Amino acid sequence: EAQVTQNPRYLITVTGKKLTVTCSQNMNHEYMSWYRQDPGLGLRQIYYSMNVEVTDKGDVPEGYKVSRKEKRNFPLILESPSPNQTSLYFCASRRDRGGEKLFFGSGTQLSVL
Amino acid sequence: SQQGEEDPQALSIQEGENATMNCSYKTSINNLQWYRQNSGRGLVHLILIRSNEREKHSGRLRVTLDTSKKSSSLLITASRAADTASYFCATDARTPLVFGKGTRLSVIA
Repeated sequence: EAQVTQNPRYLITVTGKKLTVTCSQNMNHEYMSWYRQDPGLGLRQIYYSMNVEVTDKGDVPEGYKVSRKEKRNFPLILESPSPNQTSLYFCASRRDRGGEKLFFGSGTQLSVL
Repeated sequence: SQQGEEDPQALSIQEGENATMNCSYKTSINNLQWYRQNSGRGLVHLILIRSNEREKHSGRLRVTLDTSKKSSSLLITASRAADTASYFCATDARTPLVFGKGTRLSVIA
């Protein structure tokens, strides 16, 4: 089954403790992206990647890191999480950069205390 | 760089009625897409309309695009309780997909 898999689904952590949210897709998609969703603000893009070893900042990249060492994986790293990074995070992928629909993961609800 | 802006923010209708949501955007686009999100879950793609198309249908969904007014509408006909969700438009231009804040639709049985 074609899917984007995110883990974990829920995560509670404390300020400053490094964490990684994993994202994997099985559709051989070139393009992958991370979004955060906050009430009243909609979805905002954090980082995206158009191919292996190619990543670019989205609208809200501060405090986040990503890597794209393999085509299927695109982890989101919070090196020193802060409470304002408490949010619902989504990974998404599509075949290439433009003109195609996005496939979304189920989301990761992160709480930073 | 939020581009799409949905209207209304929230909509409540009776089962069987039609629901119309609008999306306005600011710059030229290659295509516009509509997505649906059930509470707290991942977004699911509904329909894509290209900049050279004016109308598109998919089952009970009808999407229109007016590039001169930079606006789109999503019509859901004969709504069902299961249509209760948030609906987002997303514009596809030179930058990656940019989403609006969504319309929250409640369909009352």
